[in-house]
Order: sequence, then C-alpha cells, then structure tokens
Amino acid sequence: GQNIDQPTEMTATEGAIVQINCTYQTSGFNGLFWYQQHAGEAPTFLSYNVLDGLEEKGRFSSFLSRSKGYSYLLLKELQMKDSASYLCAVRDSNYQLIWGAGTKLIIKP
Amino acid sequence: IAGITQAPTSQILAAGRRMTLRCTQDMRHNAMYWYRQDLGLGLRLIHYSNTAGTTGKGEVPDGYSVSRANTDDFPLTLASAVPSQTSVYFCASSFRSAGYTFGSGTRLTVV
Repeated sequence: GQNIDQPTEMTATEGAIVQINCTYQTSGFNGLFWYQQHAGEAPTFLSYNVLDGLEEKGRFSSFLSRSKGYSYLLLKELQMKDSASYLCAVRDSNYQLIWGAGTKLIIKP
Repeated sequence: IAGITQAPTSQILAAGRRMTLRCTQDMRHNAMYWYRQDLGLGLRLIHYSNTAGTTGKGEVPDGYSVSRANTDDFPLTLASAVPSQTSVYFCASSFRSAGYTFGSGTRLTVV
C-alpha cells in the first residue's frame, strides 16, 4: 500500500528553527509537495520538490531524498503566524496526490 | 470569482436527504478533485476529473457521485446522506503537473 508518515504534532519557540520530517512509500514518484493549513482554512501551497536536494524559499526550505523516500520542511525564524498544520503529499505513478495526515505545529512565545 | 468557489460554506443536513456541494473554478484548470478531511485522517480523495467529460473514483467514493459537464464546474452529490459523511469537504483543481489550488471548504454535518 501507499503510505505517508509525518509526526502528528510538534512544538517550537518563536524565533527558533523547526524541521518537519516526512517519509513515504508510494507506487511511483512524480514529485513531493508541502502545504500549510491554518485551522478552519484550506491548504495552501508551500513548496514542490521533484529532484534531490534543497529548495529554499524565504524562511521556508524543503529537502528531498528520493532514494531514502524522505523529505523535510525547514522553517526558520519562526513566527506566531506559522502555527498551523503542515501537510506532506506525494504524486504517485498515476499522477494522483497521496496525502499525509499532517503535522500540527504549535509555536510558543 | 478568483480561484475556486465552494458553496455552501456550511450545512446541517438530515440523514437520508440528498445534497449537492458546488465547486466552480475560473482558472481553466483541466483537473479537479473532491476531498474530505477528517481529524487524524488527513485528506482523502473522493472523486476526481482529469478533464471535462471524464471522472474517476478516488479512495472513498461510496455514497458520492460527481459530474464534469464543463471545465469550470465539478459538483459533488450525496444521494442519501449518512452521519459518517459528516466532514469538511474541499474541492481542488490543478493544471497539468502543477500543484493543487483548494477552495475554502464546506463543513457538512449529517444528523
């Protein structure tokens, strides 16, 4: 079966750095996405990785290792508004997105 | 309209009733999707459409039907609602291999 694993919840301090990990086993791989979802709102696109390595976009970076079936999302200089759920999703061989259950990130002052 | 519009925003529905959740996009995206999101389970695909005139079943299609008469609209129908269909429903669209754009969601409670 297809599976996306990510921690259920993480806590970090304002101004710090946090890394959210995602491991996957899917039938084929055509890219990995990270989405942010604030409570009661729709998911919004953060990043996309299809090749190995690090993609940096402002305070957020995403890393991919296809051989290890592993990705992480790195958030720097955390702000209170970063409190949200972070969803990892992998596009499989049928070009369908397989979603993880999400990681709820709690930022403390 | 800018992006994807879903209606209604929320609804309380009696079990056994029929209901259609509406989804309209103005981005001319070829593919559209319906997901339900339940606490602890993440997003689960109900039905999808890769292009106007075609639809496919996702992970949890039972009790739901869709149609795609044109590019913009992708309604989801619950023929006879049951309490287990209480959830938040998100419509999404994508263009070719790009990421998904989501609507703001419909919170449905079946009592």
